[in-house]
Amino acid sequence: SAVISQKPSRDICQRGTSLTIQCQVDSQVTMMFWYRQQPGQSLTLIATANQGSEATYESGFVIDKFPISRPNLTFSTLTVSNMSPEDSSIYLCSVLPGGEWETQYFGPGTRLLVL
Amino acid sequence: GQNIDQPTEMTATEGAIVQINCTYQTSGFNGLFWYQQHAGEAPTFLSYNVLDGLEEKGRFSSFLSRSKGYSYLLLKELQMKDSASYLCAVKDSNYQLIWGAGTKLIIKP
Repeated sequence: SAVISQKPSRDICQRGTSLTIQCQVDSQVTMMFWYRQQPGQSLTLIATANQGSEATYESGFVIDKFPISRPNLTFSTLTVSNMSPEDSSIYLCSVLPGGEWETQYFGPGTRLLVL
Repeated sequence: GQNIDQPTEMTATEGAIVQINCTYQTSGFNGLFWYQQHAGEAPTFLSYNVLDGLEEKGRFSSFLSRSKGYSYLLLKELQMKDSASYLCAVKDSNYQLIWGAGTKLIIKP
């Protein structure tokens, strides 16, 4: 398993601003993912954070809006840019500690409210 | 397309047994996961099935039939703390997790 922390745990932001969310893992992990979960909805994968290269984005998500960094095997950031109220959501970091047959683990989430 | 179906909401009584079903149609299959998510919290891993049959873990059991594209999560001796959403997820041929919308389980005294 892996212990995952996220900062900030919650924030209230103004429309048009940007917020960077950090994800720290207590051990080196193969894969890291960023998800969004809107109220009452299930999880939506935003992108896979690749170490040393550009993130792989899912349909409907673009790098300009959600730039992602992954400088090493234990850390990643997700930025929500030029925010609007529609970006109000929970953003979750998730990791796959080992190979593709492993279980995915989730961080505690960042609750974002955009006014 | 890829699709995972599970009931939106279920209600059960404390001390009883409840079965939450999940059916899936995905491009390939590399395992099925059940996660529990309490309101306002992150999902936590419950179980993993890759072969047909029943996996038991304490009060929780998970069953898989790959030929039918079907799984269920069985919760026994229900406790109030089991009130949560239960998410079914399948790993497809690309090892991507495809998520169901979740089943909100309400436990009544």
